[in-house]
Amino acid sequence: GAGVSQSPSNKVTEKGKDVELRCDPISGHTALYWYRQRLGQGLEFLIYFQGNSAPDKSGLPSDRFSAERTGESVSTLTIQRTQQEDSAVYLCASSLAPGTGGARQPQHFGDGTRLSIL
Amino acid sequence: AQSVAQPEDQVNVAEGNPLTVKCTYSVSGNPYLFWYVQYPNRGLQFLLKYITGDNLVKGSYGFEAEFNKSQTSFHLKKPSALVSDSALYFCAVRAPSNDYKLSFGAGTTVTVRA
Repeated sequence: GAGVSQSPSNKVTEKGKDVELRCDPISGHTALYWYRQRLGQGLEFLIYFQGNSAPDKSGLPSDRFSAERTGESVSTLTIQRTQQEDSAVYLCASSLAPGTGGARQPQHFGDGTRLSIL
Repeated sequence: AQSVAQPEDQVNVAEGNPLTVKCTYSVSGNPYLFWYVQYPNRGLQFLLKYITGDNLVKGSYGFEAEFNKSQTSFHLKKPSALVSDSALYFCAVRAPSNDYKLSFGAGTTVTVRA
């Protein structure tokens, strides 16, 4: 497909379990972002990847959250020992690299993973 | 620092009437401004952006927005709303010194009644 793909679209799990969310960006987009959207709230920045540079992890809310990206392809966001406050929609976005004019371009979003912690 | 405020949680209009969704921003330097729309159970879709040039920018689905530097605003407008415009709208800002991090408003829910 041509857009950002996220899986699973929905995930229900018990408190204390680990979850892994996947994002497949648009081909050619070297920049990749993860956001958290809590019900009735705006988007909360979590982490940013750009090519092979060190990621900006400044938005990760705790050490239970981590993310990986292999090269310029798929990224996974992992939440360990999930808590009820982790329930949210997790959105992934991608864009062109900032240095190539990407800073002036919009980010393209996937449909998100709706995570529910019981 | 950069931030966005969307002062209205909800906007309700009748179909065919003008629609305005308000956004004000705070940023150092000239801003890059974006509007996105989110339909239920979907990601954000890009509507339009202001980078430089004309203060009035036109975007998708008949939407437009006016950049007002003196009022630090970037209100989204549509002359004649449709029921299908009912959705959640987000304004976002990035300082030009910031390569990538967008700051989003809390969102405004638009309801267009038939």
